[in-house]
Amino acid sequence: QQQVKQSPQSLIVQKGGISIINCAYENTAFDYFPWYQQFPGKGPALLIAIRPDVSEKKEGRFTISFNKSAKQFSLHIMDSQPGDSATYFCAASHSGTYKYIFGTGTRLKVLA
Amino acid sequence: DAGVIQSPRHEVTEMGQEVTLRCKPISGHNSLFWYRQTMMRGLELLIYFNNNVPIDDSGMPEDRFSAKMPNASFSTLKIQPSEPRDSAVYFCASSSGTGGVNTQYFGPGTRLTVL
Repeated sequence: QQQVKQSPQSLIVQKGGISIINCAYENTAFDYFPWYQQFPGKGPALLIAIRPDVSEKKEGRFTISFNKSAKQFSLHIMDSQPGDSATYFCAASHSGTYKYIFGTGTRLKVLA
Repeated sequence: DAGVIQSPRHEVTEMGQEVTLRCKPISGHNSLFWYRQTMMRGLELLIYFNNNVPIDDSGMPEDRFSAKMPNASFSTLKIQPSEPRDSAVYFCASSSGTGGVNTQYFGPGTRLTVL
């Protein structure tokens, strides 16, 4: 029940295309869902996060869509660029705890 | 702000040797996390400190691993003796507050190779 399932494991997208990464969770106590971006040789960095009181959050080309009833959330990268090539991790947390449960990661490659 | 600082960035050692990884959290942050990242297991939380006190060490693999936080600006993760299966990237992260909504800021990591 503590798992966060992430798919796909890897993704190849043409420049200008839309990248979509999906995550699913089971624990309904989770109330904070961040996405982290990790470039090779670097630590993960917060990209965007959402609380379950909204169904969508957009920051620039990055959008989180949240479906509370389905217990799913996804990251959409519009107009994908080669510089977006990185590994993306979804995570879930409960505001009453400190612990993040991370997904297994999606390696995104955007072709020029 | 300098962000989370980790040292060394790379460590190569031989099986049986002691390894010490170091972390300086962001100033003012009172929560510190040590993670291990491998291809097989992804990101695993090893231990969590709050106000310099270890709160949860259930992720520490075994007694060969130990972590300390003697003050708010320094933490160490020690492996003694090291084994080849400990090869991984070890990240330190810090956050302000104790709740899960507080953003965790990761350091650049230490890539450990145990031969």
